[in-house]
Amino acid sequence: DTAVSQTPKYLVTQMGNDKSIKCEQNLGHDTMYWYKQDSKKFLKIMFSYNNKELIINETVPNRFSPKSPDKAHLNLHINSLELGDSAVYFCASSQGAQAGTQYFGPGTRLTVL
Amino acid sequence: AQKVTQAQTEISVVEKEDVTLDCVYETRDTTYYLFWYKQPPSGELVFLIRRNSFDEQNEISGRYSWNFQKSTSSFNFTITASQVVDSAVYFCALSGLSGGYNKLIFGAGTRLAVHP
Repeated sequence: DTAVSQTPKYLVTQMGNDKSIKCEQNLGHDTMYWYKQDSKKFLKIMFSYNNKELIINETVPNRFSPKSPDKAHLNLHINSLELGDSAVYFCASSQGAQAGTQYFGPGTRLTVL
Repeated sequence: AQKVTQAQTEISVVEKEDVTLDCVYETRDTTYYLFWYKQPPSGELVFLIRRNSFDEQNEISGRYSWNFQKSTSSFNFTITASQVVDSAVYFCALSGLSGGYNKLIFGAGTRLAVHP
């Protein structure tokens, strides 16, 4: 029943490691997003994919690499994790890349030690 | 540049009080969308409402109501007869077109604490 799901919910890892977060939506939407929420709760977009094509890349370090194998999935791989990467990462989806309402997943809390 | 300002960082009320959360936005787009999301202590982001720039009618949904005024670039949210379950961080957001595509620009959020 979950509309937008993310795995894992929590991720604790050491600096320098590589990790991935997965996102899946069953809403039939064609556009998916990654947002980062920092420790002060500030939310900022990182990436967006429309029909598996990258359409938004908001000056994110290239250690972050999104991948969309199909319209229903958007994964985020992070190389060489740094302390500053600790945050909550939210996946979202919408129908349409211009003005669709974005529905969010439950978030993945990443802690880098 | 597009920007959303939620000047109230934290609001504390007693149950059954009415409370208004302020949101002021800046954009040069003539067509845009405004949103409110709720983030309860459990952490998920829950969509509450979307408004387009051409529709200035106020909206009411149960105890929630929204007042959109283009003249003052504001999109305020009122909770009537607040309840403890309303305790959350509330985010106002604006859809800004980045290269023609939609991205949400969020305000800093207002933390609402409703006490019994």
